[in-house]
Parts: sequence; structure tokens; C-alpha cells
Amino acid sequence: EAQVTQNPRYLITVTGKKLTVTCSQNMNHEYMSWYRQDPGLGLRQIYYSMNVEVTDKGDVPEGYKVSRKEKRNFPLILESPSPNQTSLYFCASSLTSGSFTEQFFGPGTRLTVL
Amino acid sequence: AQKITQTQPGMFVQEKEAVTLDCTYDTSDPSYGLFWYKQPSSGEMIFLIYQGSYDQQNATEGRYSLNFQKARKSANLVISASQLGDSAMYFCAMRDYTGNQFYFGTGTSLTVIP
Repeated sequence: EAQVTQNPRYLITVTGKKLTVTCSQNMNHEYMSWYRQDPGLGLRQIYYSMNVEVTDKGDVPEGYKVSRKEKRNFPLILESPSPNQTSLYFCASSLTSGSFTEQFFGPGTRLTVL
Repeated sequence: AQKITQTQPGMFVQEKEAVTLDCTYDTSDPSYGLFWYKQPSSGEMIFLIYQGSYDQQNATEGRYSLNFQKARKSANLVISASQLGDSAMYFCAMRDYTGNQFYFGTGTSLTVIP
């Protein structure tokens, strides 16, 4: 089944404790992206990757890191999480980064930073 | 600057009636893509419909149609014959001309009344 998977689905952590949210897709998509969803703000793009080893910042990259060492994986790293990073996180992928291609979303990861 | 504006935080519609969810966008680029996603209470993001900036005709997908008015920069979603399962949050989104940046609106919560 074609899908985007994220792990973990739920995470409660404490301020300053490094964490990684994994994202994997099995559709051989070139483009992958991370978003955070907050009430009243919709989804905001954190980072995106056009292909292996090619990443760039979205609208809200502060406090996050990403890497794209393999085509299928695009982990999101929070080196020192803070309470304002409590949010619902989505990973998404699309075949290419062309304007005319839809994104497929993962199920989401609900992160709480205490 | 706000790229996507959804002015209706909440909407109600009677079952079997049609409903229009508003979306306006802001870009000066000639090439872009417009998308609508549905987010039910379970949290996943479900792709509904897509409209390309060069498309001459309004997109349709089953009960969903996109009323694309380029001069007005609007891309309203029309749901015909509403069903109880249509109750969800709906997000309008735009993919920019590079295909790398994705902008979401703040969403409209639709409730279908039996």
C-alpha cells in the first residue's frame, strides 16, 4: 500500500531533551516536507526537501533540523525542544516538486513538550 | 504576508444541501496550484481536489467542485448534496510556482446537520 508513515504517533517529552520524528514514504517520491498544525493557524511549512541531500527552510524552521540521506526517509529533529513546539506535525510527500502535483500526508505526530 | 485566506471559521449546512467554502489567495506568479484538503476529527489530511493556474475549466471530483475565479484570486470549494460524513475541517492550500513552498489557510470547520 502506498503510504507515508510517521513515528511516533504520540510523544510527550520535556524541555531540552533531543528527539527525532521519523517519516518514511514508499512511493519513490522526490519531494518531502514537514508541517506543523496549530489551532487557528492552519498548517505551516517547516522544511522541505526536493531530493536526496537537498533541503531548504519553509516558513517556520527555527528550532528544527532535517536531513535527507535516503530518498524514502525525511526525519525531523528537535535538538532542544521547547513548550512552544507543542503541536501536531505532519510529514508529506509528492512525486516531484512541480506546482501541479498533490501531496500525500502521513497520519500526524502529536508532540507535547512539558 | 498571508498567502491563503479562509474567512469562514465555521459553517453549518443541512444534510443534502450544497455548501460553498471560501478561499482567496495571494500571488503574483502566473504558475501555481490550488488544493483543498479535508481533515476529519480523526486528524488525517485527505486530498479532495486540485486546480492549476492555467486550467481553463473548473475542477470537479464527484461531489466536490472548485469555483476558480482567477481575476478575483478565489478558489472556493463547493460540496453538493452534503452528507453527515462531510463534517470536518477543510483547508485551502496553494503550491507556489517553484513547487517547493506550500501555503495553507486557517481552515473552515463544516458541520452537516441532519
